[in-house]
Amino acid sequence: DIQMTQSPSSLSASIGDRVTITCRASQSINMFLNWYQQKPGEAPKLLIYAVSNLQGGVPSRFSGSGSATDFTLTISSLQPEDFATYYCQQTYSTGVYTFGQGTKLEI
Amino acid sequence: QLQLQESGPGLVRPSETLSLTCTVSGGSISSSSYYWGWIRQPPGKGLEWIGSIYYSGSTYYNPSHKSRVTISVDMSKNQFSLKVTSVTAADTAVYYCARQDYSSSWYYFDDWGQGTLVTVSS
Repeated sequence: DIQMTQSPSSLSASIGDRVTITCRASQSINMFLNWYQQKPGEAPKLLIYAVSNLQGGVPSRFSGSGSATDFTLTISSLQPEDFATYYCQQTYSTGVYTFGQGTKLEI
Repeated sequence: QLQLQESGPGLVRPSETLSLTCTVSGGSISSSSYYWGWIRQPPGKGLEWIGSIYYSGSTYYNPSHKSRVTISVDMSKNQFSLKVTSVTAADTAVYYCARQDYSSSWYYFDDWGQGTLVTVSS
């Protein structure tokens, strides 16, 4: 299976900060990398698909980049509603989709 | 607007079968553009994909659970279902159903149900 490793596991930041979360795949996954945001008690929400494509309705302060094995999610200016847990997911390996362990973004 | 709603027992006894249904509204489960999937999240832990199904009945499963998992679809009711046999406490989790993109070939999950907690306990 392809393993997805996120770093850091948790992150403290302030309103207005620029934040970067990293996701590393155990082998090349081309561009098959998605990012989700999950708030406590809620279902995950798709933010970005195929590395850098913003899902409809997602604010432009979110962006994604990377290729092959190394990917990043960047929030350009943190807003109060951005404090949540973020997950990356690979969909390269058909039938064995895996998520990262999550990055909890806290104040 | 598409909505997905999980339903089923919140408590299952060890060694028994967990059965959940996802009802899709605001869209057709027989769309050729999507698969439909199940994902779970143990309390306080991360997300785990369980399996996905196409309206035709074509399925694929996480190999970690393949021997115990069955996903089926009922187009007449616009529903798809999950069965997990021989459950243990390790199957305690919030179970989510979700729509999975197929048409673009990126396979992301773009719409999710609210989730339902299933506890395995005697």
